[in-house]
Amino acid sequence: AQRVTQPEKLLSVFKGAPVELKCNYSYSGSPELFWYVQYSRQRLQLLLRHISRESIKGFTADLNKGETSFHLKKPFAQEEDSAMYYCALGGYNTDKLIFGTGTRLQVFP
Amino acid sequence: DTAVSQTPKYLVTQMGNDKSIKCEQNLGHDTMYWYKQDSKKFLKIMFSYNNKELIINETVPNRFSPKSPDKAHLNLHINSLELGDSAVYFCASSQDGSGSKSPLHFGNGTRLTVT
Repeated sequence: AQRVTQPEKLLSVFKGAPVELKCNYSYSGSPELFWYVQYSRQRLQLLLRHISRESIKGFTADLNKGETSFHLKKPFAQEEDSAMYYCALGGYNTDKLIFGTGTRLQVFP
Repeated sequence: DTAVSQTPKYLVTQMGNDKSIKCEQNLGHDTMYWYKQDSKKFLKIMFSYNNKELIINETVPNRFSPKSPDKAHLNLHINSLELGDSAVYFCASSQDGSGSKSPLHFGNGTRLTVT
């Protein structure tokens, strides 16, 4: 089964605090994992993907196949990081990209 | 030079009406998609087309009919609208034939409200 889980609907932190948005997946094959972000009144856009192994806007995510996780992390949150974050799962055995239920990140000043 | 554009941005209509949402992409991508985002922000794929051919057709009522006149356009027609159809509908495109590996480029969404 192809499934992605984001256990937190809402994550609230203060500016400067570390952030970790959790994502777990279930997939029988080689997964492709993505994080998408939707800022207020803007379109959904790609933040990063696991094969790129890059840091975007200070965010990183490491694919942990043992724990079937792809958590999104940032050491110091900024107010402009406040947005809706979606973890998405695809792979070589599927045509579908499915999304988790999303986590709303609120960063307070 | 908008990459993926949808019209209209807002659509308010009454139950039982028929409406269409249009989508166009100028990225030269082969594959286009429709996703539905419900009131809880849950995002679910509805359809995908690769070069005008239907690839994915999720469990969607047959009142929803996608139409792809060419690979740059994917329209969504909805018949006999119901209250439960109220949602934000997102069009997206990807470079190759599988959105499961390539990043998706999304439109701004169409907020449909059925009264």
